[in-house]
Amino acid sequence: SQTIHQWPATLVQPVGSPLSLECTVEGTSNPNLYWYRQAAGRGLQLLFYSVGIGQISSEVPQNLSASRPQDRQFILSSKKLLLSDSGFYLCAWTAGQSFYGYTFGSGTRLTVV
Amino acid sequence: QKEVEQNSGPLSVPEGAIASLNCTYSDRGSQSFFWYRQYSGKSPELIMFIYSNGDKEDGRFTAQLNKASQYVSLLIRDSQPSDSATYLCAVGGNGGFKTIFGAGTRLFVKA
Repeated sequence: SQTIHQWPATLVQPVGSPLSLECTVEGTSNPNLYWYRQAAGRGLQLLFYSVGIGQISSEVPQNLSASRPQDRQFILSSKKLLLSDSGFYLCAWTAGQSFYGYTFGSGTRLTVV
Repeated sequence: QKEVEQNSGPLSVPEGAIASLNCTYSDRGSQSFFWYRQYSGKSPELIMFIYSNGDKEDGRFTAQLNKASQYVSLLIRDSQPSDSATYLCAVGGNGGFKTIFGAGTRLFVKA
C-alpha cells in the first residue's frame, strides 16, 4: 500500500533562517506531489505541485521554493523565513492519471519567531 | 477569484442526530467535489468525493451535489462524538491541480 512520510512534525525557526521540509511517498511510482499551507482559520492554499522529477509549478509567488530531486521525494525550502511563513505545511500525493482526492502527509507545524 | 464558502461553525448536534454540512462554490466549471475530515492538529483525510449531480452514500455519510445551485453538502447520520472535527469542502476541475478548499466547518457532537 502507498504511504506518505513528512518531517519534521514541528519546527520553530527564527526570522531570516533557512527552511527545508521533506516529503517522501512509498508504494507508488510517478505520483503527482503537492505542497499546501494551512493558516489558522483559513483554507488550504496550494503552494507548489509537481508531475515529475524536476518539474515544479508554483501557484503563489513568495519566498518559498520546491524541488523534486527523485520520483518520490518532494522538498520545500526557503532561504530566509518571514513571520508570515508560519503555518501548517502539508505534503500530498495523487496518482498520475486519475484524481479521486488527495492523500496528505502528517504535516509540519512551522512557527517563525 | 474562485471561491469555496463554508459556514465556520461550530455546528453542534447531539449524539445520534444527523449533521448537515454545507458548501457553495463560485466556479460553474467545477467538476470534482470532495469532503475531508480534519481532527485538531492533524492532517485532512478524505471522506468522500462526488462528480455527478445527486446523492452518493458511503456508510453513515452522504454527499449531495447540485451543480445548478453550485451547492454541495455532507450529511452524517447517527453522529458520534468521534465525528467531532473540522470538515473541509474542496472543489476542483478535471484533475488535482486546481482544487480550491473552503476554510472548513467545525462540527461538535455532544454525547
